[in-house]
Amino acid sequence: KAGVTQTPRYLIKTRGQQVTLSCSPISGHRSVSWYQQTPGQGLQFLFEYFSETQRNKGNFPGRFSGRQFSNSRSEMNVSTLELGDSALYLCASSIDHGTTRELFFGEGSRLTVL
Amino acid sequence: GDSVTQMEGPVTLSEEAFLTINCTYTATGYPSLFWYVQYPGEGLQLLLKATKADDKGSNKGFEATYRKETTSFHLEKGSVQVSDSAVYFCALESGGGADGLTFGKGTHLIIQP
Repeated sequence: KAGVTQTPRYLIKTRGQQVTLSCSPISGHRSVSWYQQTPGQGLQFLFEYFSETQRNKGNFPGRFSGRQFSNSRSEMNVSTLELGDSALYLCASSIDHGTTRELFFGEGSRLTVL
Repeated sequence: GDSVTQMEGPVTLSEEAFLTINCTYTATGYPSLFWYVQYPGEGLQLLLKATKADDKGSNKGFEATYRKETTSFHLEKGSVQVSDSAVYFCALESGGGADGLTFGKGTHLIIQP
């Protein structure tokens, strides 16, 4: 079956702009999580959505937001972009939420902020 | 807060060599522990997991044992293959998943024929 699909794969923005990234989970998966990956900080948890509700949120400023639609697809938005937002943004889906569940990751959206 | 420490590498081995990638963690309570692997051009995928002390996770010839006394979850394989070349991430989840997964920085493994 199809895996987790993230779009766009690559994008370049300038400081102050905003960006929206999209994630389509594996069919039947209801939970979507987002992670930011940078060389310095590694992988850091952004937030998790389940049944259109944000369940958990990591330690990121309010410029980072997300939502989930009724078909479980999710988007994340970053407003007022800063140079430090340059990163690989990974989406992961799972059947349900809770510990010990297996996450399935997409290949990521690489954002470059100039 | 929670943290995971692992060697970053790159770690270069010859085919059929024994592999150990060390992973230690700091967490409150009793976390679940995971190893994820990222092959070139692919997304991260779960390799194995353990949910309580002394549990051993295993998959594709890889093993890791949850050691609470040493707060470790070292990844081992008896005989590596070129196809094992990838980046390996140790991770934990605690507190009911409220903070998502906490990952180590990843270990780049290169297996030479």
